[in-house]
Amino acid sequence: AQRVTQPEKLLSVFKGAPVELKCNYSYSGSPELFWYVQYSRQRLQLLLRHISRESIKGFTADLNKGETSFHLKKPFAQEEDSAMYYCALCDYTGTASKLTFGTGTRLQVTL
Amino acid sequence: DGGITQSPKYLFRKEGQNVTLSCEQNLNHDAMYWYRQDPGQGLRLIYYSQIVNDFQKGDIAEGYSVSREKKESFPLTVTSAQKNPTAFYLCASRYRGGGYTFGSGTRLTVV
Repeated sequence: AQRVTQPEKLLSVFKGAPVELKCNYSYSGSPELFWYVQYSRQRLQLLLRHISRESIKGFTADLNKGETSFHLKKPFAQEEDSAMYYCALCDYTGTASKLTFGTGTRLQVTL
Repeated sequence: DGGITQSPKYLFRKEGQNVTLSCEQNLNHDAMYWYRQDPGQGLRLIYYSQIVNDFQKGDIAEGYSVSREKKESFPLTVTSAQKNPTAFYLCASRYRGGGYTFGSGTRLTVV
């Protein structure tokens, strides 16, 4: 069965420091992975999708199939990056698809 | 203004009562989903539907029921059989091959 693991519940970094939010997955097929972000009092929104290979708000994530990881990185943290971050994997069964989420990591950026 | 709307924002339920949470989307998305969000547990899938008049159980379907009579609507009923219904409920929709769009959520509290 598919599984997404985010080992850190809370990550606290100083403004300007590099950020790495860890995500590991287990999936028997070719994975489709996402990072979602939830800012305080706002709805969950898509941050990154691995197949698009975009950089959003300075964040990047590379799929490493050998290590089954999809870590989220940013070279210099900003205060506005403080939020809850969820890694998610899309599981396909025939024509149906569903997202499996990790338990989330709260990023706290302090001055 | 296209989007996904959940109502009500806050809902209070007495023990033994059934309550229905509304989810409507005007994005013309085929698939719709219900997730439950609890602190420290991330988002867990309750039910999902790929097409009208068809839906599947997710990981924590017990005590919940859904219907999908229209493409735009996917209401969730929390029944009295759900032993721990106090949570934040999120609805989502997806266009085939696209990303997921989330609603702003309903916070259900048992009083």
